[in-house]
Amino acid sequence: SQQGEEDPQALSIQEGENATMNCSYKTSINNLQWYRQNSGRGLVHLILIRSNEREKHSGRLRVTLDTSKKSSSLLITASRAADTASYFCAPYNAGNNRKLIWGLGTSLAVNP
Amino acid sequence: NAGVTQTPKFRVLKTGQSMTLLCAQDMNHEYMYWYRQDPGMGLRLIHYSVGEGTTAKGEVPDGYNVSRLKKQNFLLGLESAAPSQTSVYFCAIGQGFGETQYFGPGTRLLVL
Repeated sequence: SQQGEEDPQALSIQEGENATMNCSYKTSINNLQWYRQNSGRGLVHLILIRSNEREKHSGRLRVTLDTSKKSSSLLITASRAADTASYFCAPYNAGNNRKLIWGLGTSLAVNP
Repeated sequence: NAGVTQTPKFRVLKTGQSMTLLCAQDMNHEYMYWYRQDPGMGLRLIHYSVGEGTTAKGEVPDGYNVSRLKKQNFLLGLESAAPSQTSVYFCAIGQGFGETQYFGPGTRLLVL
């Protein structure tokens, strides 16, 4: 198993701006997921991108995956105050010890 | 369709007391997980189950026991609570280790 490391740890932007957060990991993966956690709540799945995909979109979210650099990024366009949350990546490798290991996330604050 | 529910939402225990947290799902998923989330530590897997009647240890299983007698329920027990078990506990479900996980709303536990 491996842990994704999100960067930056914290990000503060104004409403309407774009937010980009990054995830790095150490070994090959089968897929990578991004989740959001609003304060005090359970995590919510955003996007799953497979190792043979380079980019995926969902509404205002765009996820890219660069397996050569072992990194992924999550872009939130035209951010809203409601996007304020922590964001986690979860890389997955189907080898031994296959469980997801969670990082500390990126804390995003979108100021009105 | 409630998805994943957890009871109770909040509990205060005294050291040495016991309690059981219940996770219930109506999505018919095979895999169920119990996590704890602590500041600066991220989500850590306590125990998990890959199907009815099965359980396995995660990263931090000590002091906890689990049971999955019915497919839709996953119980987490604390036999003798300790202050170190003060945390927020999340249940999650999924169809496989690398697949989307759906989280419950969490249980806040304070052990005095």
